[in-house]
Amino acid sequence: DADVTQTPRNRITKTGKRIMLECSQTKGHDRMYWYRQDPGLGLQLIYYSFDVKDINKGEISDGYSVSRQAQAKFSLSLESAIPNQTALYFCATSDSLGGVGGTDTQYFGPGTRLTVL
Amino acid sequence: GQSLEQPSEVTAVEGAIVQINCTYQTSGFYGLSWYQQHDGGAPTFLSYNALDGLEETGRFSSFLSRSDSYGYLLLQELQMKDSASYFCAVRSGGSYIPTFGRGTSLIVHP
Repeated sequence: DADVTQTPRNRITKTGKRIMLECSQTKGHDRMYWYRQDPGLGLQLIYYSFDVKDINKGEISDGYSVSRQAQAKFSLSLESAIPNQTALYFCATSDSLGGVGGTDTQYFGPGTRLTVL
Repeated sequence: GQSLEQPSEVTAVEGAIVQINCTYQTSGFYGLSWYQQHDGGAPTFLSYNALDGLEETGRFSSFLSRSDSYGYLLLQELQMKDSASYFCAVRSGGSYIPTFGRGTSLIVHP
């Protein structure tokens, strides 16, 4: 079984619709992240959470919101989808053992391909 | 802020050696990571360098020079399956959050 799962895997929606992308993990990690990937732009951080009560904005949080329902679940919402939010979205986790000197390895889910028409 | 530079594309032939460079500008540098991503797939962790020098893992090696703000990923005995995008990422500035480069598309020809 996959350690980090994302649903849905593909979604086509219309401008103005509210969309929720869900992420679940069985790795037991405290830290969870949402990234957006556009061709040629690498991975851009949207939001991250270090535990259930900790939510932080990333570099491109405008137009997005998140909810950390439990240690294992972190969902991303687009309140009113627009076409330039068409992208590949990845959820990731990392453990808290890395500390300052650790690797903080990111473990990615399979991604959700979102198309906003 | 932080910035990373890596080539957008590199091509090589099967069996060859290829080096993918990454230069970075950041404050409070902790370490440099490399990730591999096949087309349509999830990025997967390859290596991490916190100290100067070369780290070897099978056919892949990663190098870091903190004084030059520079690192590279070296892939030896290239195989067709190595065709993928490779991202460098830095951890710095008191944050545990990595900042990713834009990625290098490696194309391996027969």
